Amino acid sequence: DQQVKQNSPSLSVQEGRISILNCDYTNSMFDYFLWYKKYPAEGPTFLISISSIKDKNEDGRFTVFLNKSAKHLSLHIVPSQPGDSAVYFCAPPGTNAGKSTFGDGTTLTVKP
Amino acid sequence: ETGVTQSPTHLIKTRGQQVTLRCSSQSGHNTVSWYQQALGQGPQFIFQYYREEENGRGNFPPRFSGLQFPNYSSELNVNALELDDSALYLCASSWVVRTGGFNEQFFGPGTRLTVL
Repeated sequence: DQQVKQNSPSLSVQEGRISILNCDYTNSMFDYFLWYKKYPAEGPTFLISISSIKDKNEDGRFTVFLNKSAKHLSLHIVPSQPGDSAVYFCAPPGTNAGKSTFGDGTTLTVKP
Repeated sequence: ETGVTQSPTHLIKTRGQQVTLRCSSQSGHNTVSWYQQALGQGPQFIFQYYREEENGRGNFPPRFSGLQFPNYSSELNVNALELDDSALYLCASSWVVRTGGFNEQFFGPGTRLTVL
């Protein structure tokens, strides 16, 4: 039973445009949601989080939206840059980030 | 500040053998988690150690075991290797004031294990 699903294995966008990455979850007990970015040959790096008591969190070019009723969150990157090309994971950890449940990831390619 | 390091980078074993992977936590961190990432999938939580004791385990059999040492370095041991154990093994460290506390975790680059 996969608790976290990222239904788009890949996404390709043009530099300067918006990238939208989606994540669906089934466990309503998740109370934090994290996004990680992973480059080849490196471990995942924390990107942005959102608490379940909020519906939006913004950090520079990155914004995460949470829709608890739909059990859906999305990551918006505006404007997208070639350096954003990486695999993005949605990973709700509950309260302990070290016990995260990862989705299978979305590979984002930003074309110059 | 030293980041999370893992050794070895790559490893090839044969089915039935045993393997030990090592992780050095980021300075000041007291919690280490291990994940298995199969090709095309996200990392799957194996277990976490907090102050040298297991603090939660994912859906992995007992042949996956671990240790955390007083200096907060850690080992992942896998006995009776199977072909499906081929994966990238990631460790991540964090500072948890109490069990269940939320803190960001920092990942190492991983060890790529191939079982033939």
